[in-house]
Amino acid sequence: DTEVTQTPKHLVMGMTNKKSLKCEQHMGHRAMYWYKQKAKKPPELMFVYSYEKLSINESVPSRFSPECPNSSLLNLHLHALQPEDSALYLCASSQVLRGAIPLHFGNGTRLTVT
Amino acid sequence: GENVEQHPSTLSVQEGDSAVIKCTYSDSASNYFPWYKQELGKGPQLIIDIRSNVGEKKDQRIAVTLNKTAKHFSLHITETQPEDSAVYFCAASMTNAGKSTFGDGTTLTVKP
Repeated sequence: DTEVTQTPKHLVMGMTNKKSLKCEQHMGHRAMYWYKQKAKKPPELMFVYSYEKLSINESVPSRFSPECPNSSLLNLHLHALQPEDSALYLCASSQVLRGAIPLHFGNGTRLTVT
Repeated sequence: GENVEQHPSTLSVQEGDSAVIKCTYSDSASNYFPWYKQELGKGPQLIIDIRSNVGEKKDQRIAVTLNKTAKHFSLHITETQPEDSAVYFCAASMTNAGKSTFGDGTTLTVKP
């Protein structure tokens, strides 16, 4: 089982809804990531937090709003999404924000926007 | 920026055969090359990685080789089993960059 836990596993939401995805890790990692993955494609980086501060935003639309309440938790708040935002949303962590070290992924939240 | 190309996109082998997946990268500053396995309904999981100061690394049935001069690295799986069936992603990153660049993935099917 993965050491990065994501909830919920599945989420269906309408375009006017507001929902949140949650991610938790207890490995003491200080970097946490949100990735978006479409079918048959590699993960695509969205946001990176380092020591609870937003370090990388890959020009993601403002309808996605990340939050890192503490070093173990990462949230992604969703509002006014479009059907093309339907995807697998993956959370990952690493010891620190640095290249050349492995990423630890959760099993993702499968999001469907109707 | 870094560009990683991965081949083949699909690979089908008979159980017990070997499988080889190849990746090339563009930025000579990249120095870390992990391989992730993604099973259906799950997130990618690290299976093996190699750093640029090493040419080859092995862990039981899987091995990775790196050719820095040619800027390519390969994943080798021997004695394949049905549970090896998954999507495999290579990636490249460098020490001072916070991002990894992924290949497009290879869907491996091992037929019993």
